[in-house]
Amino acid sequence: KNQVEQSPQSLIILEGKNCTLQCNYTVSPFSNLRWYKQDTGRGPVSLTIMTFSENTKSNGRYTATLDADTKQSSLHITASQLSDSASYICVVSPYPNRDDKIIFGKGTRLHILP
Amino acid sequence: NAGVTQTPKFRVLKTGQSMTLLCAQDMNHEYMYWYRQDPGMGLRLIHYSVGEGTTAKGEVPDGYNVSRLKKQNFLLGLESAAPSQTSVYFCASRGGNSYNEQFFGPGTRLTVL
Repeated sequence: KNQVEQSPQSLIILEGKNCTLQCNYTVSPFSNLRWYKQDTGRGPVSLTIMTFSENTKSNGRYTATLDADTKQSSLHITASQLSDSASYICVVSPYPNRDDKIIFGKGTRLHILP
Repeated sequence: NAGVTQTPKFRVLKTGQSMTLLCAQDMNHEYMYWYRQDPGMGLRLIHYSVGEGTTAKGEVPDGYNVSRLKKQNFLLGLESAAPSQTSVYFCASRGGNSYNEQFFGPGTRLTVL
C-alpha cells in the first residue's frame, strides 16, 4: 500500500535556529513530491515541488531534498522565524499522475519559540 | 483576485440535517477538489472534478454529493449529516498541467451534533 510517513510529529525550536523535517514514502512508481505549509486555521500553501529527476529545490529559507532511491525527502528551514510556526505536509503523487491517488502525509507541527 | 473562497467558514448541524458547502475560484482552473482534514490524519479526498459538468469519487465519498454546474464553482452536499462528518473541509483547485500546484481555500469547520 502506498504510504507517506512524516517525522517528527511535532517539533519545538528557538527562533533563529535551523531544523529539518523528514518524509519517507513507499509510493512507486513515483512522479513528484511536494511540500506544503499550513498555518493554523488556513489552507495549505505549496512551498516546493520536485520530480523524480530533481534532488533539491529551494524557496527562500526553505530547502527541500529528495533521494528517489531511498524514497526519502527532507525539508530544511534555515534561520527560523516566528512565522514558520505551522504544519508542514509532504505530498506524493504516483506515476502516472492521478488526482485520486495523491497521498498526503499527516504533517509535522513546528513551533518556533521567541 | 480572491483565489479560492469557501462559504461558510463555520457551521454546526444536528444529526440528520442537510447542508451545502460552496467553493468558488477565480483562476479559471479546470480541476477542483473537496478534502476533509481530521486530527491525526492526512487530507483525504472526498470528490473531485476535472472540468465543468464532471465529478468523480475520491477516497472517502460516502455520505457526500457534489456538483460542478459552473467552471468556477464546486458544491459539496451533505444530505443527512452524521457526527462522523465533523471535520474541516478544504476545497482546492489547479490548472491543467499535472505538475500545477493545488490552491486551497481557507476551510470550513463543520460540527455535527
